[in-house]
Amino acid sequence: EAGVAQSPRYKIIEKRQSVAFWCNPISGHATLYWYQQILGQGPKLLIQFQNNGVVDDSQLPKDRFSAERLKGVDSTLKIQPAKLEDSAVYLCASSLGVGRGDPLHFGNGTRLTVT
Amino acid sequence: TQLLEQSPQFLSIQEGENLTVYCNSSSVFSSLQWYRQEPGEGPVLLVTVVTGGEVKKLKRLTFQFGDARKDSSLHITAAQPGDTGLYLCAGEYNQGGKLIFGQGTELSVKP
Repeated sequence: EAGVAQSPRYKIIEKRQSVAFWCNPISGHATLYWYQQILGQGPKLLIQFQNNGVVDDSQLPKDRFSAERLKGVDSTLKIQPAKLEDSAVYLCASSLGVGRGDPLHFGNGTRLTVT
Repeated sequence: TQLLEQSPQFLSIQEGENLTVYCNSSSVFSSLQWYRQEPGEGPVLLVTVVTGGEVKKLKRLTFQFGDARKDSSLHITAAQPGDTGLYLCAGEYNQGGKLIFGQGTELSVKP
């Protein structure tokens, strides 16, 4: 099966600019996640969707970050305006969403550098 | 706040040595997963444990889930350079709920 697709692979922007990331999950996966991974740390959950509804966005900085999941399939994550501390790898993951122990399938991420 | 403590943070060993990585929390997990991540790639699932006291083996890797489902360990026997990578534990606190990751253990195995 095709894996989770993310684009772009790399992005360099200046602070206060805006940026958007795109994710196409594995076909049939109901749950989609966006994680932020700062260098040397574990992934931090930003937002979790179940189909096209938000399950958890408690750690999403809503003053600058937004995310949507179009028709319960593809998703975009936007940052506006970006800050230096947003430099990180943004990982998208998907799962079947069937419950306990459901494994996550990750994309290769978008590496964002804010200068 | 749900927190997963992973230790050690860094580990550099020689080929053939054994090692153990620990993952601890004060909260009970519904399930716990171990992932391995290589540079430039996303994490890849190694194993999922769901039952307290459960032990799973994957070739030279042994995963153990604590009886109280609050901690887990990963033991690698006779490490090889191909085992080099970032090992992440991830706890699921409520069935079907969000997955919280530990900060990771960066393993380097030198030939």
